[in-house]
Amino acid sequence: AQTVTQSQPEMSVQEAETVTLSCTYDTSENNYYLFWYKQPPSRQMILVIRQEAYKQQNATENRFSVNFQKAAKSFSLKISDSQLGDTAMYFCAFSRGSTLGRLYFGRGTQLTVWP
Amino acid sequence: ETGVTQTPRHLVMGMTNKKSLKCEQHLGHNAMYWYKQSAKKPLELMFVYNFKEQTENNSVPSRFSPECPNSSHLFLHLHTLQPEDSALYLCASSLTADGGGETQYFGPGTRLLVL
Repeated sequence: AQTVTQSQPEMSVQEAETVTLSCTYDTSENNYYLFWYKQPPSRQMILVIRQEAYKQQNATENRFSVNFQKAAKSFSLKISDSQLGDTAMYFCAFSRGSTLGRLYFGRGTQLTVWP
Repeated sequence: ETGVTQTPRHLVMGMTNKKSLKCEQHLGHNAMYWYKQSAKKPLELMFVYNFKEQTENNSVPSRFSPECPNSSHLFLHLHTLQPEDSALYLCASSLTADGGGETQYFGPGTRLLVL
């Protein structure tokens, strides 16, 4: 079974600072994908970043980057220059490479950015 | 209209009512999903449709009945629900569900309250 663990239920950061959200996962698969999704108060789930397990290079999207440690099964999200609009619930998710689109989600980390 | 839309956004129903949730995607995708998001629990995948065929039913009670008439529309028919079915129901779509790694795009959700 695939499991995704987010050990930080809540985090807070000052505007313009950097914050890192943790995620670990458990799988016996070698081909898989990892995602970070953001769910702001509007409840619309939005993709933040996507990582292919076979790629060693860490994915980046503007202020968002990941630290993908395949051996440790760790996939943390770093948000640089935090903005008030980054306040949201962040979900880490896992997808196997072989099967029918199923996403396994963690329980989420509520991030609050303070002015 | 673009993206994934869901109607209604809010729904209150009694346990004996019958109602339907609607999801529509304008992205040209071929796979659609229903998820349930309850407080304090990870997102739960309910159903997957790939090219209009149901490919996954994640042990969902029969009081939830999905329907996918074409690749752009997905319905969730509800009847004789229980109070514990109160949750946010999210619809998502992806290009296909033939393998993992496809990014899923989410709608804004329907907030359901069962009295």
